[in-house]
Amino acid sequence: DTGVSQDPRHKITKRGQNVTFRCDPISEHNRLYWYRQTLGQGPEFLTYFQNEAQLEKSRLLSDRFSAERPKGSFSTLEIQRTEQGDSAMYLCASSLQTEEAFFGQGTRLTVV
Amino acid sequence: GQQVMQIPQYQHVQEGEDFTTYCNSSTTLSNIQWYKQRPGGHPVFLIQLVKSGEVKKQKRLTFQFGEAKKNSSLHITATQTTDVGTYFCAGRDGGTASKLTFGTGTRLQVTL
Repeated sequence: DTGVSQDPRHKITKRGQNVTFRCDPISEHNRLYWYRQTLGQGPEFLTYFQNEAQLEKSRLLSDRFSAERPKGSFSTLEIQRTEQGDSAMYLCASSLQTEEAFFGQGTRLTVV
Repeated sequence: GQQVMQIPQYQHVQEGEDFTTYCNSSTTLSNIQWYKQRPGGHPVFLIQLVKSGEVKKQKRLTFQFGEAKKNSSLHITATQTTDVGTYFCAGRDGGTASKLTFGTGTRLQVTL
């Protein structure tokens, strides 16, 4: 088991472009979470899945953000028409039910 | 929506001094978890508390869950430089299907 992996680790994009991030959770984990973290702040909840079902999405999240977990394994997070305010670390975590969450190294997004 | 606040935001101690961070939720929690994030790293799970009034110890760390299940604390005895990092609490305010909401975090700096 190699833990939670995220790809890419870094992404620089121009404002207005679309970006997609991938998360591969720990294989037997049925829950997968996406968080966003900016410097000095706690992880901000974006959305989470139980198997392939998206159970909750943050009400603060604009329609430009979408996430999928098509087969209940890996997940993708897409941001359309990126804005400078989207610059942050995007963290993925997985867990077995309500047990501890294991985080990936994150994808650092910079919108220029 | 659910809000989880932590105090203090930042604390600087000398090695050997004690440290405590407090976590307060706007809603009753079904359980609470604590994570540590080293500078430049991702959150790493420390412990989970489930029962009202529960106290758990891990070496120099003592975790408490309040009687009303709306607050928690982490106490470190005789801090060491290896304790440096940001400590987050994270809680669920509903049943097992509810999301994990992170607190605002307390950054601990330890100097010799």
